[in-house]
Amino acid sequence: DGGITQSPKYLFRKEGQNVTLSCEQNLNHDAMYWYRQDPGQGLRLIYYSQIVNDFQKGDIAEGYSVSREKKESFPLTVTSAQKNPTAFYLCASTSTGNTEAFFGQGTRLTVV
Amino acid sequence: QKEVEQNSGPLSVPEGAIASLNCTYSDRGSQSFFWYRQYSGKSPELIMFIYSNGDKEDGRFTAQLNKASQYVSLLIRDSQPSDSATYLCAVKTSGSRLTFGEGTQLTVNP
Repeated sequence: DGGITQSPKYLFRKEGQNVTLSCEQNLNHDAMYWYRQDPGQGLRLIYYSQIVNDFQKGDIAEGYSVSREKKESFPLTVTSAQKNPTAFYLCASTSTGNTEAFFGQGTRLTVV
Repeated sequence: QKEVEQNSGPLSVPEGAIASLNCTYSDRGSQSFFWYRQYSGKSPELIMFIYSNGDKEDGRFTAQLNKASQYVSLLIRDSQPSDSATYLCAVKTSGSRLTFGEGTQLTVNP
């Protein structure tokens, strides 16, 4: 089945550690996105990528990094510079043009 | 000014009533507009999308777009308790940037 797969579903990070969240899609979508959601809040854009080997900062990129080496994959690294990383992270993808975004099931990251 | 703003919630309506959700956006170059529904702890799911000025109806849902006023809305007719969720407005620009509003929490009371 086509879709977006995020892993892991739950992730625990110690203070000062970098962690990488995985996002893979087999929908042949060009654009991919990472969002952060805090309790009771909307989705805030971290990074997005329109094509392979290119990506743009969103509204809250500080403390995060991404790569887009393959069309199917858009991993997000939460670095130690992100002081408050505990949140629900959502990955999405879409075709170019006026098409809707499809979401993965999310990764819930907790700092311990 | 936020890129996408939604009417503040929470919104509570009785079962069978019409729920009205509103959204404004700042980028006049925005091309497509989406309404997503999100249940607690789950991923957003698409309810409606609209690209052209006017109304678009799908079952109990109607999306309305007014590009001159930079305004998009979602009407839910005959609201059901299962419609209780957070509704997110999303706006896509020509550069594929997809921005969401803060969401409006809707409760439909039996």
